[in-house]
Amino acid sequence: EAGVAQSPRYKIIEKRQSVAFWCNPISGHATLYWYQQILGQGPKLLIQFQNNGVVDDSQLPKDRFSAERLKGVDSTLKIQPAKLEDSAVYLCASSFLRGRGGETQYFGPGTRLLVL
Amino acid sequence: AQSVTQLGSHVSVSEGALVLLRCNYSSSVPPYLFWYVQYPNQGLQLLLKYTTGATLVKGINGFEAEFKKSETSFHLTKPSAHMSDAAEYFCAVFQGAQKLVFGQGTRLTINP
Repeated sequence: EAGVAQSPRYKIIEKRQSVAFWCNPISGHATLYWYQQILGQGPKLLIQFQNNGVVDDSQLPKDRFSAERLKGVDSTLKIQPAKLEDSAVYLCASSFLRGRGGETQYFGPGTRLLVL
Repeated sequence: AQSVTQLGSHVSVSEGALVLLRCNYSSSVPPYLFWYVQYPNQGLQLLLKYTTGATLVKGINGFEAEFKKSETSFHLTKPSAHMSDAAEYFCAVFQGAQKLVFGQGTRLTINP
């Protein structure tokens, strides 16, 4: 079974530029998550989708971050314009059902973003 | 809101020694608890999880953790460390707000 795929793996941009990350979850997984992991910290949930609807985006900085999940499968996360403090690893994860309780989340390898 | 505290951002042990990584959580109701491992330049991989039932949970690679409600703890142990265990370990709790909340992580170093 293929895992969660993410691209690109690395990205370097200058502040005020825009950037987009792509995620393909495990086939059949209904719930998709985007996390931000700043160096030295644990991952923090940015947004959670169930199929193509948003379940939780309470920690997404909506003035600069946006995300969509096309047809309930692939997802893109965009930052426009980027700030220095956006430098982090962006992790995508998916789970089979509704993301409740003890359900396991499966993580992709992440995209490492450096904003100069 | 629930939170997770991992005691020690960096733990160093000798190969063959006991590994103990500490995790405490705050929760008003029984939580679901997880340990994930992250190898360099990789995503997170589930080691083990506690949902209900037996409080001693066995995971992959010889790791286990015990849920102690009275101590609000979920410490991770392995009897004998191997060089391949060197990684970052994250404790996480899932409760209430229906989201996974991670601790800040513990970097495990294994000395030959």
